[in-house]
Amino acid sequence: DTGVSQNPRHKITKRGQNVTFRCDPISEHNRLYWYRQTLGQGPEFLTYFQNEAQLEKSRLLSDRFSAERPKGSFSTLEIQRTEQGDSAMYLCASSQGQGPYEQYFGPGTRLTVT
Amino acid sequence: EDKVVQSPLSLVVHEGDTVTLNCSYEVTNFRSLLWYKQEKKAPTFLFMLTSSGIEKKSGRLSSILDKKELFSILNITATQTGDSAVYLCAVVKETSGSRLTFGEGTQLTVNP
Repeated sequence: DTGVSQNPRHKITKRGQNVTFRCDPISEHNRLYWYRQTLGQGPEFLTYFQNEAQLEKSRLLSDRFSAERPKGSFSTLEIQRTEQGDSAMYLCASSQGQGPYEQYFGPGTRLTVT
Repeated sequence: EDKVVQSPLSLVVHEGDTVTLNCSYEVTNFRSLLWYKQEKKAPTFLFMLTSSGIEKKSGRLSSILDKKELFSILNITATQTGDSAVYLCAVVKETSGSRLTFGEGTQLTVNP
């Protein structure tokens, strides 16, 4: 499978715990994006990387959220001290080049905070 | 504030019907508009539109952009039950680093 992959697919955690998600983009894609989607809404942008550099972060990304892409390949998104409002689908996407090339999405990680 | 509005929010049709989904936008420095289909999983890419008036077509799906009136439509002809999904519209700005700003989506249900 050469598409975008994400792990885990589902995560249930208790409020206050830390969680980390992983995204593996399509191999030749140098841009990687994180989005969050809640029920009945379109995805909302969180952050993106070009190679290993994090170039933009949304105001939605509070200081409890951190993302890394250490070698310009896979990326991790960590949420510290989770809150019930963090329950959502976390989607990763990747694209090629520096133009407005179409983004290809992974299957997402569904987070439930109890 | 940038805005992407899709209509209708939900639509129920019978197999064989033709549907038109709408997406209007208010963004500064518009670059492109993209359509995605989302079933119970990740959004899958359908079209990217950058120029006004040029129809993009893939099988029974087609889409066109009007940059003067700031909207796009997605047409699906001869609908099938497999077309049931949420259809998402997103825009990219010149200055946004290619981040996508999505609308709420249109939930399409095609009944047999």
